[in-house]
Formats: sequence, C-alpha cells, structure tokens
Amino acid sequence: KAGVTQTPRYLIKTRGQQVTLSCSPISGHRSVSWYQQTPGQGLQFLFEYFSETQRNKGNFPGRFSGRQFSNSRSEMNVSTLELGDSALYLCASSLEVSNSGANVLTFGAGSRLTVL
Amino acid sequence: AQKVTQAQTEISVVEKEDVTLDCVYETRDTTYYLFWYKQPPSGELVFLIRRNSFDEQNEISGRYSWNFQKSTSSFNFTITASQVVDSAVYFCALSERDSSYKLIFGSGTRLLVRP
Repeated sequence: KAGVTQTPRYLIKTRGQQVTLSCSPISGHRSVSWYQQTPGQGLQFLFEYFSETQRNKGNFPGRFSGRQFSNSRSEMNVSTLELGDSALYLCASSLEVSNSGANVLTFGAGSRLTVL
Repeated sequence: AQKVTQAQTEISVVEKEDVTLDCVYETRDTTYYLFWYKQPPSGELVFLIRRNSFDEQNEISGRYSWNFQKSTSSFNFTITASQVVDSAVYFCALSERDSSYKLIFGSGTRLLVRP
C-alpha cells in the first residue's frame, strides 16, 4: 500500500516567487492536512481538506492557500515568498473514521523549500 | 488553550540504556487524544501511539512503553534497551474532540543513541 507522496522533495525559490506543492494521500483517505516545520516555530498546522472543502485553517497569512481535488490529491500554494517561508512542508492523510480527534494522521516525507 | 511541552531538547544515551522522554500537555477539553510520533532523518513523521483521555492504562509495545497520567497531565515515553536505530526526533502531540486532523505538537526531543 503506497504511502503519502509529496512532490517535489526539494526546491529552491527566490523571494517574491510563488510555489506549488503537491500531495497524493493514501488510497481511500479523504482527509488531507498540511503542516509547516521550521527550527524556530516547530510543527504548525496550516489547513485541512475533506471532500474538496477546507474545514479549518491555521494562523498563517493569506499567501498560504490550498485546494483538494475530487481524487483527494491536494496542493498548497505560497505566493510572494519570504525568507521565513523556508521550511519543511508536511502533508498528512487520514481515513477519517470519525470527526472525533481519534484519527491517526499518516505523514509524507515532506517538501523542503528554501527561499533565497 | 492547548499546549504541549517537551522540556528535553536533546538526550544522548549509550546503546542499551533505558531512556524516558517527557511530555506535558494542557487542554480544557475533557475529550482529547495524545500521540507520539517519531521523525527519522528522512523527514516523515512515523506514528507510534495514540491514547484517548478516558484510557489511562499504560501500554507496552516491545521495547516501547507509555505512561499516561491525567493527574499530572503527562504522557511519557520510555524506550528500554535503546538501540542506535532509535536515534530520531520524537514528538508528542495533542488533538481535541472537534479537531481530529489538527495536531498540536510539542517542540520535539532529539534522541541520540551512541554505540
């Protein structure tokens, strides 16, 4: 059973550019969430999608956006990149057995973004 | 407000030593879930255990064991007879009843097991 796949694994951008990251969840998983990991702020929740709808968003500026397609694949976009956006972006999928806090998230290996 | 504290930034042990990673959490919810994840150098977070707030029974899985104490809001993780392959960053996390997909992570504890 394939795990959560994230592409690209590594990328370098310059300030002001935009970037799109992709995530393919485990087959059958309908919930996809995104996290940002930095040395200073640690792991922080970005947003979560279920059945193409964003259900919740973390405390990030509007430059961070995402979407989910009908096949549950998800993309996140960061526009007008800043140096502080350099991070490991992790995608996680969940089977969504119940909306009760009990769901286990399965993470991908992440996309490491460097902004110069 | 929810918060997870992992006070130990880095721990270094010699192989075969036992090591305990501490986790203290804060939440106002009566129904919540606690998790431990392992992050090896490859980057992905690997799920280790989930515990709900109504189940304070300790759990053992091979060399791993977890001690959940609501009275002290702690969910500590012990590795017995550590091995070099246990070297990784370990994260404790909390989710609440109405936000199953939103994990509040601690800052992580980097464990180095030396041969």
